[in-house]
Amino acid sequence: EDKVVQSPLSLVVHEGDTVTLNCSYEVTNFRSLLWYKQEKKAPTFLFMLTSSGIEKKSGRLSSILDKKELSSILNITATQTGDSAIYLCAVGTGTYKYIFGTGTRLKVLA
Amino acid sequence: EADIYQTPRYLVIGTGKKITLECSQTMGHDKMYWYQQDPGMELHLIHYSYGVNSTEKGDLSSESTVSRIRTEHFPLTLESARPSHTSQYLCASSTNRDRAAFFGQGTRLTVV
Repeated sequence: EDKVVQSPLSLVVHEGDTVTLNCSYEVTNFRSLLWYKQEKKAPTFLFMLTSSGIEKKSGRLSSILDKKELSSILNITATQTGDSAIYLCAVGTGTYKYIFGTGTRLKVLA
Repeated sequence: EADIYQTPRYLVIGTGKKITLECSQTMGHDKMYWYQQDPGMELHLIHYSYGVNSTEKGDLSSESTVSRIRTEHFPLTLESARPSHTSQYLCASSTNRDRAAFFGQGTRLTVV
């Protein structure tokens, strides 16, 4: 059964801290790994990582895919209160489906 | 910026009513998906479609049904709503399996 596991489940930090969120997966036909940020409603897309693009960076956020270890990390540097959200990891499979993890709930305190 | 729209955003209905949740996208994406998400819980795939006249059930069993008569439209129907259907329903679309899925704003359904 395809599975995506995220850790930690929740995290509380102070503004300015750096955080690392983890995602590991077991899927039969890996195509891509995606990171989303979910605040109150729908997930918004952050990054997509594939075999041909294993590292992405946008501002204070960056992500790396480790295909050997079947995992990915999402780093956020110099965190701000606006980074408070649930961060979702999803894996796109060969059957056109996206399997989501339970998410990491991040709270950044002022 | 993704252009995918869901209506209504919020819905409170009585048990036994028939409802249809609408989802439309203007990007010409061939793949569309419905996810169900309870508060604080993960997203579960309940239906997906590869294209017009193609629909499949997802990993989570659902009493809902879907149709895909037009590329841009992927409505979800509950014939007889029950309190156990109370949840958030998220629609998404993508171009192909190597592209990201983009989400609509969701419909929060409450069945009383």
